[in-house]
Amino acid sequence: QKEVEQDPGPLSVPEGAIVSLNCTYSNSAFQYFMWYRQYSRKGPELLMYTYSSGNKEDGRFTAQVDKSSKYISLFIRDSQPSDSATYLCAMSTGANSKLTFGKGITLSVRP
Amino acid sequence: SAVISQKPSRDICQRGTSLTIQCQVDSQVTMMFWYRQQPGQSLTLIATANQGSEATYESGFVIDKFPISRPNLTFSTLTVSNMSPEDSSIYLCSVEGLAGGNEQFFGPGTRLTVL
Repeated sequence: QKEVEQDPGPLSVPEGAIVSLNCTYSNSAFQYFMWYRQYSRKGPELLMYTYSSGNKEDGRFTAQVDKSSKYISLFIRDSQPSDSATYLCAMSTGANSKLTFGKGITLSVRP
Repeated sequence: SAVISQKPSRDICQRGTSLTIQCQVDSQVTMMFWYRQQPGQSLTLIATANQGSEATYESGFVIDKFPISRPNLTFSTLTVSNMSPEDSSIYLCSVEGLAGGNEQFFGPGTRLTVL
């Protein structure tokens, strides 16, 4: 079993839809959870950074962490064509630690 | 926010040759990392670039193949040595410790094709 599993894609939604992206993990030592957005031919851009369980909201984006279920989610409200990108979940056991990534899911938002 | 740059942005190389990739940050950072992103695969850590000492390599990666330097707190290089087509990938540097935070930020990547 891989340490981090991410829902396979690709995912295509109409503009304005609510998007739910999910990852599961097996290592209970993970404490920090991140979502990165990567546009084609660009480096990953940090979207959300959370510590331990709970929700964090930033504009149209909400990150949710459930450590008891080893499950994290990213919700995108009122999705826009500019949200079309690959979304990567990542996690680490602490500061100064390597990130372990999911494979990423490609999202396409249709106008 | 800090600017992270990588050179070159892309290259096409012949097998058996070596390529050195540079990563430059415009602020001092505590940690610098090198990752590889292969098609259909997760981003994978190659090594942690330690300032003033030898890099720390992940399982499956060795210094002879991927020598790394980090002469100061804003700069690091990764060399891909004796390249083969299997080394074709995107190589990314990341940094941690900007403004005292624990988040990792990535450079734009270097797209390498080995013929």
